[in-house]
Amino acid sequence: QKEVEQDPGPLSVPEGAIVSLNCTYSNSAFQYFMWYRQYSRKGPELLMYTYSSGNKEDGRFTAQVDKSSKYISLFIRDSQPSDSATYLCAMSANRETSYDKVIFGPGTSLSVIP
Amino acid sequence: DAGVTQSPTHLIKTRGQHVTLRCSPISGHKSVSWYQQVLGQGPQFIFQYYEKEERGRGNFPDRFSARQFPNYSSELNVNALLLGDSALYLCASSTGRAGGAQYFGPGTRLLVL
Repeated sequence: QKEVEQDPGPLSVPEGAIVSLNCTYSNSAFQYFMWYRQYSRKGPELLMYTYSSGNKEDGRFTAQVDKSSKYISLFIRDSQPSDSATYLCAMSANRETSYDKVIFGPGTSLSVIP
Repeated sequence: DAGVTQSPTHLIKTRGQHVTLRCSPISGHKSVSWYQQVLGQGPQFIFQYYEKEERGRGNFPDRFSARQFPNYSSELNVNALLLGDSALYLCASSTGRAGGAQYFGPGTRLLVL
């Protein structure tokens, strides 16, 4: 079993739709959870960064973490064609005395159709 | 403010050759991490450096090495290149403190023929 699982898609939605992206993980030591957006042939761009369980909202983006279920989600409201990209979930144990190696999911490819 | 910069942007090498990739972190960041991203997969952790010391190493062979300089910039070296080393090599910058997020550069795309 991989440490982080993510449906690779592709996911295609009409403009204005609500998009739900999800990841599951197996390592209960993970405390920090991230979502990155990666456009084709570019580096990943940090979208959301959360600690432990709970919700975080930033504009059209909402990140949810459920540590009891080892499940994280990213919601995109009012999706736009410019949101078309690959979305990577990532997580880290980030212990004080150790390095903060980040483990990534394989990414979900999203297309928002005008 | 300048983000993470990497050079070169693209590189073509042949099997058996050596390559050096370079990264400059965000100003004020003291930690640099290197990742390999193969097409269709998420980035895989190679190394993390903090204050010029290696803090962590992923599951990569000894052909991969790195170092960090006093100005916190970093080099990733790969010896005896294999076709399977073809990938996007990403550098990420962070403060190095617990809880610090990692910010990625644009990457170096390496093709090994």
